[in-house]
Amino acid sequence: SYELTQPLSVSVALGQTASIICGGNNIGSKSVHWYQQKPGQAPVLVIYRDTNRPSGIPERFSGSTSGNTATLTISRAQAGDEADYYCQVWASSIGVFGTGTKVTVL
Amino acid sequence: QITLKESGPTLVKPTQTLTLTCALSGFSLSTSGVGVGWIRQPPGKALEWLALIYWDDDKRYSPSLNSRLTITKDTSKNQVVLTMTNMDPVDTATYFCAHRRAETGAFDIWGQGTMVTVS
Repeated sequence: SYELTQPLSVSVALGQTASIICGGNNIGSKSVHWYQQKPGQAPVLVIYRDTNRPSGIPERFSGSTSGNTATLTISRAQAGDEADYYCQVWASSIGVFGTGTKVTVL
Repeated sequence: QITLKESGPTLVKPTQTLTLTCALSGFSLSTSGVGVGWIRQPPGKALEWLALIYWDDDKRYSPSLNSRLTITKDTSKNQVVLTMTNMDPVDTATYFCAHRRAETGAFDIWGQGTMVTVS
């Protein structure tokens, strides 16, 4: 079955840039979606189809994919960006979520 | 405005069958391309995709849970139901339903989730 691997945690200084990696076999050929989840809340879509931001999501959030890696980048990190982040793809019509990354803003 | 709301028992016993309902508002599951999925999250752990049903009644299941899951829709009641048989304590989790947008394939709207404990 298809698997997506993410680092357990990423730390970023306030105002700096954080990059969250999502690894999967030839993930660059799939559409990758990213979700933000704060404690006790439901996930929120922040990037869809690799690079697109839903309305209401700040421009500070951006996405990219290449080869076996997808990346979510948070620029000018704010305290409110502290959360868990999950990547997600469809593999043979089956949903797959990444292992999740906890982002800490220092 | 699209909203989804999960409901069901908060506590089930091992070996019992869990039935969860997702009430849909602001959209119809008879609209071409639309899907509703179920995702769960054990306490302190990652999201796990469970199942998806499309407007045309096409269904997809997690391979690891396929034999235990059934997803159905009731368009007249605008709801989606997930049943999971033979519940075990490891199935203790918050269960979310979510709207899958046809144009993007992403889960763009999520319900608040419902916590189910198996004990």
